[in-house]
Amino acid sequence: AQTVTQSQPEMSVQEAETVTLSCTYDTSESDYYLFWYKQPPSRQMILVIRQEAYKQQNATENRFSVNFQKAAKSFSLKISDSQLGDAAMYFCAYRSFRINNAGNMLTFGGGTRLMVKP
Amino acid sequence: EPEVTQTPSHQVTQMGQEVILRCVPISNHLYFYWYRQILGQKVEFLVSFYNNEISEKSEIFDDQFSVERPDGSNFTLKIRSTKLEDSAMYFCASMKDIWNTEAFFGQGTRLTVV
Repeated sequence: AQTVTQSQPEMSVQEAETVTLSCTYDTSESDYYLFWYKQPPSRQMILVIRQEAYKQQNATENRFSVNFQKAAKSFSLKISDSQLGDAAMYFCAYRSFRINNAGNMLTFGGGTRLMVKP
Repeated sequence: EPEVTQTPSHQVTQMGQEVILRCVPISNHLYFYWYRQILGQKVEFLVSFYNNEISEKSEIFDDQFSVERPDGSNFTLKIRSTKLEDSAMYFCASMKDIWNTEAFFGQGTRLTVV
């Protein structure tokens, strides 16, 4: 079974600065997807960024980018130019690559609470 | 923008009572999920549903739990006889297909069993 670990329960960053959230995972699979989800207080989780394991290039979405190290099984999220609206719980998640209809659920890390200081 | 909606947002129930948590997934999505998060713990997978049947379930999803898509729009999670340890946040999610697409989540139902 796959496991996802987020070693930082809480992080804080000054507005406009850069912060990196860590995530490691354990799997014996070679094909999979990795995700970062953001959960603002009392709101639903929304996808921030995703990475396909077969792609060597790190995914980027505006101020958000990842550092995907497949051999090290590491998937960190970098938030540049942090904004007050970035304050939220961030979850790293893993999904197997499947062509059938089972086994495509998400496995989550424990989450990192990000605080942004004005 | 389409979204997954869950009702109620908060449910308080007596131990031993049955509860039904409701979800309306995004209309053209084919895969549906329930997850739960006990306070302070990880978000855990409960069950996935496709083509009107369960495609996978975790060890948490025992005989006390059931899911249904009764009318083509709602997706429900029933807990037959609630226990104190069922108190958690329950999240519904839907996904259009399995090919590199994201899961969309509802805002969750907080279930409190007293």
